[in-house]
Amino acid sequence: DAGVIQSPRHEVTEMGQEVTLRCKPISGHDYLFWYRQTMMRGLELLIYFNNNVPIDDSGMPEDRFSAKMPNASFSTLKIQPSEPRDSAVYFCASSFRDTEAFFGQGTRLTVV
Amino acid sequence: RKEVEQDPGPFNVPEGATVAFNCTYSNSASQSFFWYRQDCRKEPKLLMSVYSSGNEDGRFTAQLNRASQYISLLIRDSKLSDSATYLCVVTPGYSSASKIIFGSGTRLSIRP
Repeated sequence: DAGVIQSPRHEVTEMGQEVTLRCKPISGHDYLFWYRQTMMRGLELLIYFNNNVPIDDSGMPEDRFSAKMPNASFSTLKIQPSEPRDSAVYFCASSFRDTEAFFGQGTRLTVV
Repeated sequence: RKEVEQDPGPFNVPEGATVAFNCTYSNSASQSFFWYRQDCRKEPKLLMSVYSSGNEDGRFTAQLNRASQYISLLIRDSKLSDSATYLCVVTPGYSSASKIIFGSGTRLSIRP
């Protein structure tokens, strides 16, 4: 298996634009997590899914953020409209039950 | 109070030294515990799981204290390559629709 695959690796966008981050989890994993990491706030859990169903989105900063998981092999995190304070590294991770979580390489988002 | 708390460091120690980190958690029902390592500009990766009886992997020893709700990581004979950020991870367990919570990390720098 290729591991968790995220795209794009880097994204630079202008304030106000829509940004879509993509994630392909490891096949067979039933949990998918979206995290955001900044120097100031560390690694924050935004939302997680179990069997494609969102379980807890209490970490999503505000209504500008939305996440979907239409099937077991794909998830998106969308920011609309984007703001400079959204600049961060966004990680997707997947796991099987409560075993080890495997991370993608992250998407480095810069909003100017 | 944060669900998982760590001393952010940085810990700056000479090569060959022994260094220890602690991590406290607030949910007494937590079931699974891990230590992850994150190198600069990389994704977090599993270092080791933490078992109730404590466990050792080479120079690394992990301990769990359920009564006081903390986990620890001990690194003996530290190497330059141990320089990284160490994240403790806690999950409530599969029966609770696991939510993997990361501490904000402890930065370790090993000097020659």
